This record gives sequence, C-alpha cells and structure tokens, in this order.
Amino acid sequence: DQQVKQNSPSLSVQEGRISILNCDYTNSMFDYFLWYKKYPAEGPTFLISISSIKDKNEDGRFTVFLNKSAKHLSLHIVPSQPGDSAVYFCAARAWENQFYFGTGTSLTVIP
Amino acid sequence: ETGVTQTPRHLVMGMTNKKSLKCEQHLGHNAMYWYKQSAKKPLELMFVYNFKEQTENNSVPSRFSPECPNSSHLFLHLHTLQPEDSALYLCASRLGRGGDGANVLTFGAGSRLTVL
Repeated sequence: DQQVKQNSPSLSVQEGRISILNCDYTNSMFDYFLWYKKYPAEGPTFLISISSIKDKNEDGRFTVFLNKSAKHLSLHIVPSQPGDSAVYFCAARAWENQFYFGTGTSLTVIP
Repeated sequence: ETGVTQTPRHLVMGMTNKKSLKCEQHLGHNAMYWYKQSAKKPLELMFVYNFKEQTENNSVPSRFSPECPNSSHLFLHLHTLQPEDSALYLCASRLGRGGDGANVLTFGAGSRLTVL
C-alpha cells in the first residue's frame, strides 16, 4: 500500500509563475518530510525538508507547507525558472531508518 | 559530484548471470540504503544498513543479496534475476545522527539494470 502519494504525474508552468507540487500521505507516524529533485541520468538531490512540528519552511524560492490534519504536503516554487524543470519526489520518514517516496511529479517550466 | 558513487552506471545481464552493484560514499555517513526505482512506481526501499548492520530488509527476494563490509561501501549481489527486476537501483547514505542533516538521504546517480 502506497503511503506517500503524488497524484499529479506532470505539471507545466510558465516561467516566472508559481509552481505548486502536492503530496498526500497516509501514515500519521511520519515525523519528517522531504522534497527531492531529479534530473535525467542523475540521482535525486535533496531540495528542502520540514519537521512534523512545523507547518512551513522556506529556503529562497522554495517553500514547503505541511497540513498535518489533512496529511498533505506541498512545495511552492516562486518564481519558477526553466532550470527547475525536473521530476520532484516527495518523501516521508517513519521511525529512524525508513523513508518512503511518492511516484514523482514531472515539472516543466516553459520559457 | 554527490558524494555517493555507484558503479556500474549501466548493466545488462542474462537471467543466469551473477553480477554485483557497488556503492561508495566518503561523506562520513553511517547509514546506507538500496532503493529500486521502476517506471511509474515510487522508490522502493530494499535494504538499510546502519553502522554496517542490516536493520531493514523490505521483503526483498533472495536473488538480491546485500553486503556492507564497512560504513563506506555497500554492495548488491545479483543472481538468477528475472526480467521484471530491470530497474534503476539507487544507493543512498545518511549521517544517521545529530540534527536535521541526519534526516537527509544523499543519493548516488544509480545503476540502470537490464535483465534479458
């Protein structure tokens, strides 16, 4: 059973606009959430994270929002740039060692 | 350079072959992971090693055999694989203790495996 879900396989956004990527989870024991970015032929690279005790974390153009009651996570990228075009994975940690990933959302930023 | 190196990057093998994937990190991390990425599926956790001890085996078939001789090296030995095992195999490491950095996995570029 998939515990982390990204229901949008793809997203296209105009350069300069906001990109919003969404993620839902089912396990209330998850205590830490991460977003990764992946380019073709490369491994996922860490982008931003948030602890379950917070509801927002911001790093430059990237902001992650956590709504624990809805078990929902979102990543906002503003302004979007063509170099942001990649696959974005949402991940969640349960206990110490187990990290669960979504299926990814392919973001295309149109110049 | 991500700090986690995987070799080979591409591997084609027959169902009767025996091969190994290698992962190496010099980040001083204490936990190492194998993940499998198949098309349109989430990354599937296969194995976790913490301080060289296997702490997780996520119901992986015995035709996949991990080995962690030290905290810097991780192997995945492959034998009598099936075509459905064709996938991208990703290695990751994690500091394992102390602050938010302990919660971040650092991935290698992956080994693309094709089983004929």
